[in-house]
Amino acid sequence: DQQVKQNSPSLSVQEGRISILNCDYTNSMFDYFLWYKKYPAEGPTFLISISSIKDKNEDGRFTVFLNKSAKHLSLHIVPSQPGDSAVYFCAASAYSGTYKYIFGTGTRLKVLA
Amino acid sequence: DVKVTQSSRYLVKRTGEKVFLECVQDMDHENMFWYRQDPGLGLRLIYFSYDVKMKEKGDIPEGYSVSREKKERFSLILESASTNQTSMYLCAMKGPGYNSPLHFGNGTRLTVT
Repeated sequence: DQQVKQNSPSLSVQEGRISILNCDYTNSMFDYFLWYKKYPAEGPTFLISISSIKDKNEDGRFTVFLNKSAKHLSLHIVPSQPGDSAVYFCAASAYSGTYKYIFGTGTRLKVLA
Repeated sequence: DVKVTQSSRYLVKRTGEKVFLECVQDMDHENMFWYRQDPGLGLRLIYFSYDVKMKEKGDIPEGYSVSREKKERFSLILESASTNQTSMYLCAMKGPGYNSPLHFGNGTRLTVT
């Protein structure tokens, strides 16, 4: 049973436009959500996170939105740049004595120049 | 700056060999994790550790074991490598505090022939 889902395997966006990546989760115990960016042959790099007490967090060109009632989060990248082309993973965490982080399957973003 | 170092970037092993993947962090943090990344499956949690000699199974522990004798080092062991363990292996460390991101190493691409 996949607790964190990214239903779009790939996304193409023109340079300068907005990229929107989506993520759904099923476990209502998750209270911390993260987005990572990954280039081939490298480890994932942390981008931005949000706690369940918030519904929006912004860092430069990156904004994460959390809709707890829908169990949905999204990452907005504005404006998109060619260097943003990578695989993006969402992740969720819950604490139950130990920390456990569950990742989605990833969305490959291609930003077209 | 946080540093998570995986000892090998690329490894080629034969079926049936015992394989050790090493991971070292430089921040004296308790929580460390091993994931594997496969196309279309995202990052799947194999094992994690929340202190020296303490470990818990993740979602796909079969065929793997781990060792945490010192806080800074977390090793993943493939007892008898099989071709379906060919994958990208990623070690991560959790930052301090309740809600904090994972920091990843650069990964080890393991091929089992």
